[in-house]
Amino acid sequence: RKEVEQDPGPFNVPEGATVAFNCTYSNSASQSFFWYRQDCRKEPKLLMSVYSSGNEDGRFTAQLNRASQYISLLIRDSKLSDSATYLCVVSRGNNNAGNMLTFGGGTRLMVKP
Amino acid sequence: GAGVSQSPSNKVTEKGKDVELRCDPISGHTALYWYRQSLGQGLEFLIYFQGNSAPDKSGLPSDRFSAERTGGSVSTLTIQRTQQEDSAVYLCASSKVRPGQGSRTDTQYFGPGTRLTVL
Repeated sequence: RKEVEQDPGPFNVPEGATVAFNCTYSNSASQSFFWYRQDCRKEPKLLMSVYSSGNEDGRFTAQLNRASQYISLLIRDSKLSDSATYLCVVSRGNNNAGNMLTFGGGTRLMVKP
Repeated sequence: GAGVSQSPSNKVTEKGKDVELRCDPISGHTALYWYRQSLGQGLEFLIYFQGNSAPDKSGLPSDRFSAERTGGSVSTLTIQRTQQEDSAVYLCASSKVRPGQGSRTDTQYFGPGTRLTVL
């Protein structure tokens, strides 16, 4: 089983739609959680951190459920520019080197006009 | 300020040759990471540096892979006797503090990557 699992998609949605991505992780010792965005043939860039209380940044809302080891990302009012691959990222909780990151395989989103 | 830079941006080599990939982290970032991303795959952690030392080399796939960092800055990833399965994008990232410091893992900033093709 992969440490971080995501539905690879693609999710094809019209502009203005609301779309949600889910992610599960296997390491219960994980302490930090993030969503990164990766455009085609580009490097990953941090979209937002995910906090236990849930957090919102404009059209983006991230939630964490530690009991179920589950993370979500909600995008409201989708824009064409939101088309990208969204990477769920979890700290490894490795005491040897601190909280190294493990990346999920990514969920591809395509927003159509 | 300048972000993470990597060179070369593209490298095509023949099977069996050695290659060296370079990473220049953001100035002042003490932690440096190497990942690789094969076509259509997620990021695979290779090695992490704190300063010039590598506390975690667990991701290096074989002894053909090695990395060093000098002066707490530039890092080079060397792949000896390259194989076709080494073809991937090699990404470098840096962060301000070592992972796990404080209550949050520090944000990693990625370079544009080196696309390695082994023929």
